[in-house]
Amino acid sequence: KAGVTQTPRYLIKTRGQQVTLSCSPISGHRSVSWYQQTPGQGLQFLFEYFSETQRNKGNFPGRFSGRQFSNSRSEMNVSTLELGDSALYLCASSIDRNTEAFFGQGTRLTVV
Amino acid sequence: AQSVTQPDIHITVSEGASLELRCNYSYGATPYLFWYVQSPGQGLQLLLKYFSGDTLVQGIKGFEAEFKRSQSSFNLRKPSVHWSDAAEYFCAVGAREGGKLIFGQGTELSVKP
Repeated sequence: KAGVTQTPRYLIKTRGQQVTLSCSPISGHRSVSWYQQTPGQGLQFLFEYFSETQRNKGNFPGRFSGRQFSNSRSEMNVSTLELGDSALYLCASSIDRNTEAFFGQGTRLTVV
Repeated sequence: AQSVTQPDIHITVSEGASLELRCNYSYGATPYLFWYVQSPGQGLQLLLKYFSGDTLVQGIKGFEAEFKRSQSSFNLRKPSVHWSDAAEYFCAVGAREGGKLIFGQGTELSVKP
């Protein structure tokens, strides 16, 4: 069974640009969550989606948004990129909202 | 406030020695508990989880963890460490009704030959 797939693996963007990251969950998993990982702040929760609805949102500015499609695939978007948005963005999927989460390899975003 | 504390930022052990990584949490109710491992530049791999039942849980790669409600702890152990265990380890808690995971700051494990 294929794991959680995140694309692209690496991105370099310029300040002020926007970026879209993609996540394909494990087949049959209906819940997708996103996390930001930085050396200073560690792993921080961004959002959780289930059945195409955002169920939880972390403490991030409105520049960070996401969505989930009917096939459970998810995207997150960051607009007006700032240097501080440079991070590893991790997507996790789970069968249901209260089951264990499996993580993808992440997308390394560098903002210059 | 909900939080997870991993008191040890970095631990070095000799190959073949035993290992214990500490995790304490602050949570309103008994949460779901997890340990994940991350190799450099990689995602997180689930080592084990505690949902209910036996407080000693077994995971992959020979790891185990013990949930102690009275101490709000969920320490990770391995009887004999291998060089390939060198990585960063994260403890996490999650609500039983689902939603976000709250992670500790991580413990980096180095293994001496």
